Amino acid sequence: RKEVEQDPGPFNVPEGATVAFNCTYSNSASQSFFWYRQDCRKEPKLLMSVYSSGNEDGRFTAQLNRASQYISLLIRDSKLSDSATYLCVVSPTGNQFYFGTGTSLTVIP
Amino acid sequence: DADVTQTPRNRITKTGKRIMLECSQTKGHDRMYWYRQDPGLGLRLIYYSFDVKDINKGEISDGYSVSRQAQAKFSLSLESAIPNQTALYFCATSGGGDLTQYFGPGTRLLVL
Repeated sequence: RKEVEQDPGPFNVPEGATVAFNCTYSNSASQSFFWYRQDCRKEPKLLMSVYSSGNEDGRFTAQLNRASQYISLLIRDSKLSDSATYLCVVSPTGNQFYFGTGTSLTVIP
Repeated sequence: DADVTQTPRNRITKTGKRIMLECSQTKGHDRMYWYRQDPGLGLRLIYYSFDVKDINKGEISDGYSVSRQAQAKFSLSLESAIPNQTALYFCATSGGGDLTQYFGPGTRLLVL
């Protein structure tokens, strides 16, 4: 079983739409959770960490559900510049990191 | 200048050749990582190092070796390259108690 699983999409949404991605993880003892963004043929960059209480950064909201072992990312008021692949990352101990395969988002004018 | 650099950026090699990918960082981070990215498989950890004397295997270390020559340098070697090692390779760093990983621009490797 994979450590981290994501729906690869693609998600094609119009500008201004709200879109949500989910990611499930297999290790119930996992401690740290992140969303990274990767533009085509570029390196991944941290979008946001995910805290137990949930957290928000502008149009982006991340949630953690430990009981069901999933994390989510909500993007409100989608912009063209949000088009990218979003990677879910889980770290059981802070030493090793497990990446999902990524969810592709295209925001359409 | 970029904080994490990788050389070469692109490399074509033949089966059986030995090659080395290099990573340097100016962030002063203790932790360095090597990943490979394949379509449909995401990023997978090859090796990681928490300081010069510390080397750890990741998920997929077979066929690879690493060297941490200094805090700022972490090299990945393929002793005898094979076609299924064709991939995009990323180096990353983290440190200062923050688990955020900072990635280099990647090396595209093609093994013929």
